[in-house]
Amino acid sequence: KQEVTQIPAALSVPEGENLVLNCSFTDSAIYNLQWFRQDPGKGLTSLLLIQSSQREQTSGRLNASLDKSSGRSTLYIAASQPGDSATYLCAAVGAQKLVFGQGTRLTINP
Amino acid sequence: DVKVTQSSRYLVKRTGEKVFLECVQDMDHENMFWYRQDPGLGLRLIYFSYDVKMKEKGDIPEGYSVSREKKERFSLILESASTNQTSMYLCASSTPGSSYEQYFGPGTRLTVT
Repeated sequence: KQEVTQIPAALSVPEGENLVLNCSFTDSAIYNLQWFRQDPGKGLTSLLLIQSSQREQTSGRLNASLDKSSGRSTLYIAASQPGDSATYLCAAVGAQKLVFGQGTRLTINP
Repeated sequence: DVKVTQSSRYLVKRTGEKVFLECVQDMDHENMFWYRQDPGLGLRLIYFSYDVKMKEKGDIPEGYSVSREKKERFSLILESASTNQTSMYLCASSTPGSSYEQYFGPGTRLTVT
């Protein structure tokens, strides 16, 4: 059974710093890996999708990498801003269904 | 842009009531999903559907049923609401054509009193 873990559970950094969020999964037979952002009381917004054949995807200040062999994905946020404060979730996709991690609650301090 | 809408943002119901949560997507996606999200438990899959009139149980289907009569609409039904069904309910859709990337609605915060 697929299990997805995100470390750390919470992270607080000053504005302007570059940071990395981690995601690990136990079953490497995934179809893709998806990163989401969730603001308090809201739904999930898809940030990046990395297909299993890809190593990384970039969107603006965000870069996500995928290493299937080690069961790891990272989300890199460059030049963090207070508006980046949110919970970030990763999800491993296999057989159409997603398995989510518990998320990392990120706070960017002005 | 894909748009997934949910019928209510907030809902308050009484124990024992029958509750309908509706989800509509406008991108002709084959797959639709219902999750609930609770603090400390994360997102858990209740039911999903990969075609009209097709449904499959997720991880926590007890106390819920679903209906998908049209491709764009997926309904979650609480047959007899209970206080332990107080939660945030999230609907999502995906399609094989976009590598199963899931798109979520804004969520419905349901409170059962």
